[in-house]
Amino acid sequence: NAGVTQTPKFQVLKTGQSMTLQCAQDMNHEYMSWYRQDPGMGLRLIHYSVGAGITDQGEVPNGYNVSRSTTEDFPLRLLSAAPSQTSVYFCASSYPPGGEQYFGPGTRLTVT
Amino acid sequence: RKEVEQDPGPFNVPEGATVAFNCTYSNSASQSFFWYRQDCRKEPKLLMSVYSSGNEDGRFTAQLNRASQYISLLIRDSKLSDSATYLCVVDGIGSGNEKLTFGTGTRLTIIP
Repeated sequence: NAGVTQTPKFQVLKTGQSMTLQCAQDMNHEYMSWYRQDPGMGLRLIHYSVGAGITDQGEVPNGYNVSRSTTEDFPLRLLSAAPSQTSVYFCASSYPPGGEQYFGPGTRLTVT
Repeated sequence: RKEVEQDPGPFNVPEGATVAFNCTYSNSASQSFFWYRQDCRKEPKLLMSVYSSGNEDGRFTAQLNRASQYISLLIRDSKLSDSATYLCVVDGIGSGNEKLTFGTGTRLTIIP
């Protein structure tokens, strides 16, 4: 099993550009989440999904969209990148809900 | 008061020593507690769950003190490979991933 995979590993965007961070898992987990990690802030939940077709907002959803068309994939879309979105983004899956989180390797995003 | 608070460290500890750090939480209704380990520029990985009666996994012991609302992690006979950041994770009200709160982490460096 590959576990949770994320692409790209690194990305540099200019302010105003849009892009999609990809996340996939092969563990058949229903629950998937996107977090961002900033120095001194801990991991903060952006969006999460409890199953295909169901998504909801986390603590810091503004500026991001998600969709969940399959159990395996949970892409995160940045609508119009801003410097404040410079961060490390982690995708995670879990089962049961609130249980052990399996994280992907992260995407380091810089917005200039 | 922050939902989950950790001493950021760094803790610089000689190899072979015992080190302990605590994590306080504000929600007295929290039911699930975890310690995650995060190596530099890597994703967090579950180290251990924390059970009400306390639990041990090799050199690692986790304890929960509900009265004072903190959890602790004790590492005995520390190894160079224990150098990492340790994240405390606590659940809040609700049953899903959206209620997990991550601490900012305690940085541990084991010195040869």
